[in-house]
Amino acid sequence: EVQLVQSGAEVKKVGETLRISCKGSGYSFTNYWIGWVRQMPGKGLEWMGIIHPGDADTRYSPSFQGQVTFSVDKSISAAYLQWSSLKASDTAVYYCARRQGSRWSGGFYMDVWGKGTTVTVSS
Amino acid sequence: SDVLTQPPSVSVAPGKTARITCGGNNVGRNSVHWYQQKPGQAPLMAIYNDSDRPSGIPERLSGSKSGNTATLTISRVEAGDEADYYCQVWESDNDHYVFGAGTKVIVL
Repeated sequence: EVQLVQSGAEVKKVGETLRISCKGSGYSFTNYWIGWVRQMPGKGLEWMGIIHPGDADTRYSPSFQGQVTFSVDKSISAAYLQWSSLKASDTAVYYCARRQGSRWSGGFYMDVWGKGTTVTVSS
Repeated sequence: SDVLTQPPSVSVAPGKTARITCGGNNVGRNSVHWYQQKPGQAPLMAIYNDSDRPSGIPERLSGSKSGNTATLTISRVEAGDEADYYCQVWESDNDHYVFGAGTKVIVL
């Protein structure tokens, strides 16, 4: 079964650092881009960016460029999302998802999602 | 990136048909994908490439597109269909991924 398993909920303070993880199983992890999506409390889905586990090629949404960092450890089929200095406005649920599709046929979409990691940042 | 416009909510009685629209200048030139998100759960792929259904998604859910408007149709609505539904496109000209604001389907 194809799965993305995300790390558990985090409660942090403003200014702290954080790294959350997303581990893939049941498929060839290095063959599919992993995307990150934010959902703030009571709000919709926001695209943060994507990373290729094979070569760590990374594309950030302009809204998140410079605010977060994506990384991977392909030896353990894990992708990471990290912050160097958290803000209260980073409070949200963060999803990782596997990118599927083709630029020549229908474009790209996310076919498998993790259950999400809830990040709560307080002052 | 262009905006995808969805109605905030759609109310429907059990057994009837719900239609959720997704409009925008980028809809006509890009494929539209739909996700279902039930309360407290992660999004789930519901429709991809305008009208294709992943395995496990009931045939009652279908997608279509005309011009700059895509539509997700839920036939014979059940209580379990109550969820938020999001449309999404990938913009080939700038490699951006855009979500609509989401539509809450309320089963009366």
